[in-house]
Amino acid sequence: AQSVSQHNHHVILSEAASLELGCNYSYGGTVNLFWYVQYPGQHLQLLLKYFSGDPLVKGIKGFEAEFIKSKFSFNLRKPSVQWSDTAEYFCAVNDITGANNLFFGTGTRLTVIP
Amino acid sequence: DTEVTQTPKHLVMGMTNKKSLKCEQHMGHRAMYWYKQKAKKPPELMFVYSYEKLSINESVPSRFSPECPNSSLLNLHLHALQPEDSALYLCASSSPGVAGGRETQYFGPGTRLLVL
Repeated sequence: AQSVSQHNHHVILSEAASLELGCNYSYGGTVNLFWYVQYPGQHLQLLLKYFSGDPLVKGIKGFEAEFIKSKFSFNLRKPSVQWSDTAEYFCAVNDITGANNLFFGTGTRLTVIP
Repeated sequence: DTEVTQTPKHLVMGMTNKKSLKCEQHMGHRAMYWYKQKAKKPPELMFVYSYEKLSINESVPSRFSPECPNSSLLNLHLHALQPEDSALYLCASSSPGVAGGRETQYFGPGTRLLVL
């Protein structure tokens, strides 16, 4: 079975600081990679996804993520965070062979201080 | 449109009640999912329907009974639940069979369930 690790459980930043959230997965095959965001009291929303091609993917709201295959990583970045980015961020992985099973990391809570 | 709708938004039920959660999508997706999410935890997969057939049941207790009446609807029937079943129940959908296994799951807002 796959596992997804998000080592940062809670990150606190001031507005305009740069953000990087780590995500590592364990699976030797070809994977699809996702970052979802859950704002307080709201549902999971897709931030960005990687299927193939350029390993640097851009998502909504100025977020981007880089897939580094050799490191089994898919870290999320944003150059300058805003108070409205305060949310829970989940990395998720599924393998392309199907079974429709999306494996989530434990999540990282981001608090941005105005 | 990437909308998945769920009703009700909130539900309070006793341990002897029978209730149902409903999920609907009109994106033409042929895979639908139920997840359970406890506070400050990631979603945990419960069931997957693919082309209206149950394809994954993650060892969920029988007090949870899924149903997929058609390709747009997914229900979760609840009976004799326990207080520890209180959680946010999320529905998601995706489009299986896309070339290369490129499926993206889109989530609904969830039903917040409290079992007394």
